[in-house]
Amino acid sequence: DTAVSQTPKYLVTQMGNDKSIKCEQNLGHDTMYWYKQDSKKFLKIMFSYNNKELIINETVPNRFSPKSPDKAHLNLHINSLELGDSAVYFCASSQRARGGYTFGSGTRLTVV
Amino acid sequence: DQQVKQNSPSLSVQEGRISILNCDYTNSMFDYFLWYKKYPAEGPTFLISISSIKDKNEDGRFTVFLNKSAKHLSLHIVPSQPGDSAVYFCAASDNQAGTALIFGKGTTLSVSS
Repeated sequence: DTAVSQTPKYLVTQMGNDKSIKCEQNLGHDTMYWYKQDSKKFLKIMFSYNNKELIINETVPNRFSPKSPDKAHLNLHINSLELGDSAVYFCASSQRARGGYTFGSGTRLTVV
Repeated sequence: DQQVKQNSPSLSVQEGRISILNCDYTNSMFDYFLWYKKYPAEGPTFLISISSIKDKNEDGRFTVFLNKSAKHLSLHIVPSQPGDSAVYFCAASDNQAGTALIFGKGTTLSVSS
């Protein structure tokens, strides 16, 4: 009964491939996020969805496309993967885009 | 352009002593501040928060202090325990505008027994 679950936990893939990371939350929150933690350990916001609507879209290459089929799910699709996409991606959720976030355990993506 | 800065990458403290982790921010619109704790291979977990209308918030061994004029906050852990060893992230948001949390780079705390 994990609150925010991400799959897969590890993902190793070749350059040029297309991959997806899935995220689900069972907290009843209405807002979900994707964060990227790069090699310098910064946690940077990528996207935010509120009730299936995109509300934050930071400067992220359009090879990254979030998809929210319902407010409990926010998946991240990445096309034409590049070496620089290697990072840990964290999904999170909150209520009404305010307050504390609950994070998933992260997906470590390695592009070779 | 870092809006939230944690200038100390690491801190070592003996068990039973006080740990003080510091955080500075530049955006005067930030009105909500949080501390997260992260263990390896896990996601960050919420620790404690403070609104800009307060200057102190306490929860057990953890106290957060906010100095708005200096745009500075700190997390005090007393007494420190070996299980507190983790990476601590400071985060801030403009809660009125509903912006996403902006995180600092983190400080690795090591508590030795």
